[in-house]
Amino acid sequence: KNEVEQSPQNLTAQEGEFITINCSYSVGISALHWLQQHPGGGIVSLFMLSSGKKKHGRLIATINIQEKHSSLHITASHPRDSAVYICAVLYSGGGADGLTFGKGTHLIIQP
Amino acid sequence: NAGVTQTPKFRILKIGQSMTLQCTQDMNHNYMYWYRQDPGMGLKLIYYSVGAGITDKGEVPNGYNVSRSTTEDFPLRLELAAPSQTSVYFCASSYPWGDTIYFGEGSWLTVV
Repeated sequence: KNEVEQSPQNLTAQEGEFITINCSYSVGISALHWLQQHPGGGIVSLFMLSSGKKKHGRLIATINIQEKHSSLHITASHPRDSAVYICAVLYSGGGADGLTFGKGTHLIIQP
Repeated sequence: NAGVTQTPKFRILKIGQSMTLQCTQDMNHNYMYWYRQDPGMGLKLIYYSVGAGITDKGEVPNGYNVSRSTTEDFPLRLELAAPSQTSVYFCASSYPWGDTIYFGEGSWLTVV
């Protein structure tokens, strides 16, 4: 089964720092999702993108289809951004398998 | 709009017991899914449904069953619980596969 690789696995940063989380995948995709999972466990969809770039507040997601790579950026990071960030892809012709999830990046922002 | 609601949030089961995790959504989504999340692993698809009366197996269906009698409800049944089914379970829903996906709050299940 095609894998989704995220890096880093763990990231600790100081408040205000610019954060980058990376996601790479192996074959063509129809869509890529970035999800946020807070310590309480709930999962929230941040972005769904198939090309280019999307921005929502301090969050920016980009995707490079040719390089099979996506990044999630957080500007002016804040302790409330501490969470697990999950990348998930829908492979072209994904059919029954649906989304393939990365293992997540555990982000801690220290005040 | 409550979104996706799943119950119970926590449950401890003894080996061999059975139980049903309930999931309901009020967004009129056709697509619904059950995932499990194990420590250090990505979410794995257990079962999914593309509409009322239609269900299909995902990556890890063994030991589980589902039904979809209405658009809103998609319960997951665990038969003869085993310690390997200790996990966090998430129900989710969406429009077609590539659209935004909405998750429930999760159900923490321990089998002892």
